[in-house]
Amino acid sequence: TQLLEQSPQFLSIQEGENLTVYCNSSSVFSSLQWYRQEPGEGPVLLVTVVTGGEVKKLKRLTFQFGDARKDSSLHITAAQPGDTGLYLCAGEDSGGSNYKLTFGKGTLLTVNP
Amino acid sequence: NAGVTQTPKFQVLKTGQSMTLQCAQDMNHNSMYWYRQDPGMGLRLIYYSASEGTTDKGEVPNGYNVSRLNKREFSLRLESAAPSQTSVYFCATQRTLYSNQPQHFGDGTRLSIL
Repeated sequence: TQLLEQSPQFLSIQEGENLTVYCNSSSVFSSLQWYRQEPGEGPVLLVTVVTGGEVKKLKRLTFQFGDARKDSSLHITAAQPGDTGLYLCAGEDSGGSNYKLTFGKGTLLTVNP
Repeated sequence: NAGVTQTPKFQVLKTGQSMTLQCAQDMNHNSMYWYRQDPGMGLRLIYYSASEGTTDKGEVPNGYNVSRLNKREFSLRLESAAPSQTSVYFCATQRTLYSNQPQHFGDGTRLSIL
């Protein structure tokens, strides 16, 4: 069974601070996706990383895929209250006979004004 | 532009009752998925349908059945509800399996089993 460990599980910071969320596994993934989920809604995709070592930026969010495609990180610069939400990483496995998109348990981020 | 529509949004059942959760999409996607989300457990795949006419088990299929009625609709049935099935259920779609394309989620069905 593939596992994705996300850390930290909870994070409460003040507006303007920087933060990093980690997503780690012992398994190799063909791609890794980051989603954000707000209360009462389904997850919404932020980014997909495919190539080992890849870095993608989405405004103040920077996503990195590890060289070995086993881990990823999400860095937020100058966090704002609108960044509050549950951040989920999900690894897609293209091997085997059954489809697998394995989700981490999420990081619940609260940005206080 | 509805995307992925789940009905109902909320439901309370008694143990042993049956129920079908409905999911419909207007995105013309081939693949559809049912997940459950529990506190501290993340999203877990129950069943998926790679394309119309096919369904396969995910990580936690016990106690559930699914039907891919047509390309647009994918339903999840609880034949005899149990308290352990209290959860938030999400339907998702994807253009095709293994496409590295995003999954698009509905807003969920919050189900309580008493």
